[in-house]
Amino acid sequence: ETGVTQTPRHLVMGMTNKKSLKCEQHLGHNAMYWYKQSAKKPLELMFVYNFKEQTENNSVPSRFSPECPNSSHLFLHLHTLQPEDSALYLCASSRELAGGSLNTQYFGPGTRLTVL
Amino acid sequence: GESVGLHLPTLSVQEGDNSIINCAYSNSASDYFIWYKQESGKGPQFIIDIRSNMDKRQGQRVTVLLNKTVKHLSLQIAATQPGDSAVYFCAENTGGYSTLTFGKGTMLLVSP
Repeated sequence: ETGVTQTPRHLVMGMTNKKSLKCEQHLGHNAMYWYKQSAKKPLELMFVYNFKEQTENNSVPSRFSPECPNSSHLFLHLHTLQPEDSALYLCASSRELAGGSLNTQYFGPGTRLTVL
Repeated sequence: GESVGLHLPTLSVQEGDNSIINCAYSNSASDYFIWYKQESGKGPQFIIDIRSNMDKRQGQRVTVLLNKTVKHLSLQIAATQPGDSAVYFCAENTGGYSTLTFGKGTMLLVSP
């Protein structure tokens, strides 16, 4: 176990549904990330939160909405998704220094999302 | 950036062999590199990292080599075991704060 948990592990939803993915880290980290992993593609960074502030949004469609209420929890709210959004959604966390030195990211097990 | 290709490169080895997985990176300004292992149904798991001021770093049964001249990273696994079968990703920090860029991955298959 990496200390990063994600729920649910599997999710099937219709295009008109609204659902949320949850991530929790127990490592005392201050940065959290959402990644999308599709078949035959590298990991795609979606969102970054440092000290609860969103610092990156990599041109992600508005049907994905992140929320970071505190440094231990991260949510990804989903609505009106498309079948091409089916993928493995991974959460990660790291301990970032104020000067911006990158540190190792630790990943959760992911949520396997299928959009019908 | 986006990868091109229909399937993952695959390395097949026998148990007990040494494995070498290679990765080419594109940004000469990258200063931090990580190798991850991803088993089926799991998230990527940190294996080893290296900063650009080093050219070699060793862990338990693993060694990472960095050649900045040709922008090449390799992961060496000694005495490969069936439990090492997984997809291995390299990742580089391309200069942005908290940004990692991941490679496409290599699948390692270890036969008993």
